[in-house]
Amino acid sequence: DSGVTQTPKHLITATGQRVTLRCSPRSGDLSVYWYQQSLDQGLQFLIQYYNGEERAKGNILERFSAQQFPDLHSELNLSSLELGDSALYFCASSVGRTGHSQETQYFGPGTRLLVL
Amino acid sequence: ILNVEQSPQSLHVQEGDSTNFTCSFPSSNFYALHWYRWETAKSPEALFVMTLNGDEKKKGRISATLNTKEGYSYLYIKGSQPEDSATYLCAFTAYSGAGSYQLTFGKGTKLSVIP
Repeated sequence: DSGVTQTPKHLITATGQRVTLRCSPRSGDLSVYWYQQSLDQGLQFLIQYYNGEERAKGNILERFSAQQFPDLHSELNLSSLELGDSALYFCASSVGRTGHSQETQYFGPGTRLLVL
Repeated sequence: ILNVEQSPQSLHVQEGDSTNFTCSFPSSNFYALHWYRWETAKSPEALFVMTLNGDEKKKGRISATLNTKEGYSYLYIKGSQPEDSATYLCAFTAYSGAGSYQLTFGKGTKLSVIP
């Protein structure tokens, strides 16, 4: 158990809908990262938050947004969902020390999203 | 776009066999390379973080080496056991600005150990 929690575990929704995925980082970690794992793709970095502020952006679509709250939990909002958004969405956390390139990221169990 | 390649894509070995797989990454602007182990229905779990050319790390029967000049890392498993069955991911650390780094993952090598 990594100490990172994600809810829900599974989500089934229809095209055009909006969903929110939730992540609670490990105790003491200030950075939260979101990743998307689609069929035949590696883990794709979406976005990073550090202590409530956006720190880095990856391949995140404009229909997707995220935020990190004062209690450090994070939410990933996916809107106008398309069939291709069906994927496993992981959250990871790390201490988030600035300038440390070697930090390990600890992954949650993921949320499997199915868009029908 | 950073390219992190892993080979082979999948591997089937008999219990007791030793095996190895490769991760290739850009040889410039190297900061760190991570190896993760991802069992089905579980979270990816960190195995090693490697930073120096020539680094060798070991955890039980699993070890990894790093060559930053030529841009590759090998992961070795000695005497494979069924519980080693998992997807092994490598991730290249890239600088993303403002003192932060992001991981670019390969697609993984899926290992199946046959009892």
